[in-house]
Amino acid sequence: VIWMTQSPSLLSASTGDRVTISCRMSQGISSYLAWYQQKPGKAPELLIYAASTLQSGVPSRFSGSGSGTDFTLTISCLQSEDFATYYCQQYYSFPRTFGQGTKVEIK
Amino acid sequence: QVQLVQSGAEVKKPGASVKVSCKVSGYTLTELSMHWVRQAPGKGLEWMGGFDPEDGETIYAQKFQGRVTMTEDTSTDTAYMELSSLRSEDTAVYYCATEGPPFDYWGQGTLVTVSS
Repeated sequence: VIWMTQSPSLLSASTGDRVTISCRMSQGISSYLAWYQQKPGKAPELLIYAASTLQSGVPSRFSGSGSGTDFTLTISCLQSEDFATYYCQQYYSFPRTFGQGTKVEIK
Repeated sequence: QVQLVQSGAEVKKPGASVKVSCKVSGYTLTELSMHWVRQAPGKGLEWMGGFDPEDGETIYAQKFQGRVTMTEDTSTDTAYMELSSLRSEDTAVYYCATEGPPFDYWGQGTLVTVSS
C-alpha cells in the first residue's frame, strides 16, 4: 500500500494569495498523481493529472509539480471560488489511495 | 462526455445490505473502468474498489473484501455496488467514478445512512 501524507490539513488564506499544498508518498510513483477539488455537498472534480497536466477547463492559476515521492499543488492567485477542500491521489498501483485533504478557508 | 447518475439515498439497519446503482450515458460501460469511492461525514475520500483493465478483473480494497461486490449490467450501462453486513461506520456518501486514469468523471453521490 502506498501511503500519502498531505499537508497542511487546514490553510487560511485571502483572495489574491498564492497557496501551496504538499503531498508526499511512502514510495515513488513516477508522475501518477492527481489533484481534486471538492466543494461542500458536491462530488470531487479533477484538477490536475500526471502530476502537472491541467484538466480541460481548469483555470491556469492552478499548477502541479513534482515526481517520485514529493508533489505540490499551487494556486497562484486565490479566487473566491477556490475556497474548497483539495485531495491528492495516486494511481500508480492498487489500492488507489488519497491524501487526507487540505481545506482552504478564508482568513 | 460521460455522465454518471446514481440512485437515491438509502436508510438501512445494521446488518442489512445496500445496493447502489450508477447509470452511464455518453459512453458504454464496456469502454470505461468504473470505481467506487466513499466519504464518511466530515471525512476524506476512501477508495473501495474498481476495475483493473490490465488484468480484466475487479479489485477490492482489503478493508471491504468479503463485504463488497461490484457488478455491471452492460445491457443497461449500469454499474452496481453492493455492501453487506452494514454497520454505523458505513454511513457515508458513495460515489461511482470512471478511471481515465485518474478519476475523471464522478456520479453525484448516494448517501447511505445506517441506523437502528
